[in-house]
Amino acid sequence: DTAVSQTPKYLVTQMGNDKSIKCEQNLGHDTMYWYKQDSKKFLKIMFSYNNKELIINETVPNRFSPKSPDKAHLNLHINSLELGDSAVYFCASSRDRGEQYFGPGTRLTVT
Amino acid sequence: TQLLEQSPQFLSIQEGENLTVYCNSSSVFSSLQWYRQEPGEGPVLLVTVVTGGEVKKLKRLTFQFGDARKDSSLHITAAQPGDTGLYLCAGGGGSEKLVFGKGTKLTVNP
Repeated sequence: DTAVSQTPKYLVTQMGNDKSIKCEQNLGHDTMYWYKQDSKKFLKIMFSYNNKELIINETVPNRFSPKSPDKAHLNLHINSLELGDSAVYFCASSRDRGEQYFGPGTRLTVT
Repeated sequence: TQLLEQSPQFLSIQEGENLTVYCNSSSVFSSLQWYRQEPGEGPVLLVTVVTGGEVKKLKRLTFQFGDARKDSSLHITAAQPGDTGLYLCAGGGGSEKLVFGKGTKLTVNP
């Protein structure tokens, strides 16, 4: 009965590679989000989609590109990975931009 | 830019003690949420407060939203080891983006 799921849980890759993180929610929510949590546990929003439409796009390098094929999925593709991209990335979802439910996170390590 | 300051940053107490965590801002928020995050997991929503002066209770946890909707507090009575975790406040939501504080890491020792 997983609500918000992310894959993979852990991702270790080298600088310069391109990688994707997938997120799926089975809550019937219409809004999905990507957050980045740094080593100091600071959680900051990156993107938000409402009904597959981009509504929040924070100051994020354009190497990061979200894609929402449908309301239940929001994927994050990262090009030319850098050391500073190492963090835990959380997907979340909500109904009508209300209370947010978070996934378990993807720990990305760039070496 | 809206900012939320949480204090203390770290808190280590003995089982049975009471504690209060604070979340302050110079900005007014339409609502404020409290989350708890355990290691290796995502934040889990505890409560949302929307009205200035509102008080909500969740078992041993008491949440208060300031009258001016700029600050909030979380009080835990008789803390237990199971309360250990990172407590995050977040303001906004709805048509506004959610802005998170930097969290309070609570450790309750048996």
